[in-house]
Amino acid sequence: DQQVKQNSPSLSVQEGRISILNCDYTNSMFDYFLWYKKYPAEGPTFLISISSIKDKNEDGRFTVFLNKSAKHLSLHIVPSQPGDSAVYFCAASVSNFGNEKLTFGTGTRLTIIP
Amino acid sequence: DVKVTQSSRYLVKRTGEKVFLECVQDMDHENMFWYRQDPGLGLRLIYFSYDVKMKEKGDIPEGYSVSREKKERFSLILESASTNQTSMYLCASSLGSDGDYGYTFGSGTRLTVV
Repeated sequence: DQQVKQNSPSLSVQEGRISILNCDYTNSMFDYFLWYKKYPAEGPTFLISISSIKDKNEDGRFTVFLNKSAKHLSLHIVPSQPGDSAVYFCAASVSNFGNEKLTFGTGTRLTIIP
Repeated sequence: DVKVTQSSRYLVKRTGEKVFLECVQDMDHENMFWYRQDPGLGLRLIYFSYDVKMKEKGDIPEGYSVSREKKERFSLILESASTNQTSMYLCASSLGSDGDYGYTFGSGTRLTVV
């Protein structure tokens, strides 16, 4: 049972344009959401996160939007750069006083076309 | 620079062998996790540990066990390796304080069982 889903396995975007990566979840208990980026032969690295009490969080070129009623979040990258080419995983967690464990989605491979 | 180190980048083992994957973190983190990454399935949690000598099953623990004798070290054990355990294995750690959801991942071990 996949509680966190990324329905697009791959996405290609031209350099300079906006990249939009989507993620859906089914567990209404999730209250914290994160995006991780993964290059080949490396571990995932944290990119940006959002608490369920917010609907938007911005960090430089990266913005995450959360729609709780739709159980949907998205990551916007503007403008897209060649170095953004990677696999992106969304993840979700239930608050547990420091003992949180993350449930990851299936990943979206983003390719930025120069 | 904080680190999670996985002892091997690549491993090839025979069916039926007992396999040990080692992970060491130098950040004094309380929590440690083992995931496997497979195409189309994302990252799936195998086992995790919130303290020395404690362990909890994740979503796919069958065929695996773990050991955490010291805070900094978390070992994943494949009791009798099978070909369906061919995968990328990722170790992660987190601080364990309330509200801290950030994981630090190792670079991964690509295990092939033949």
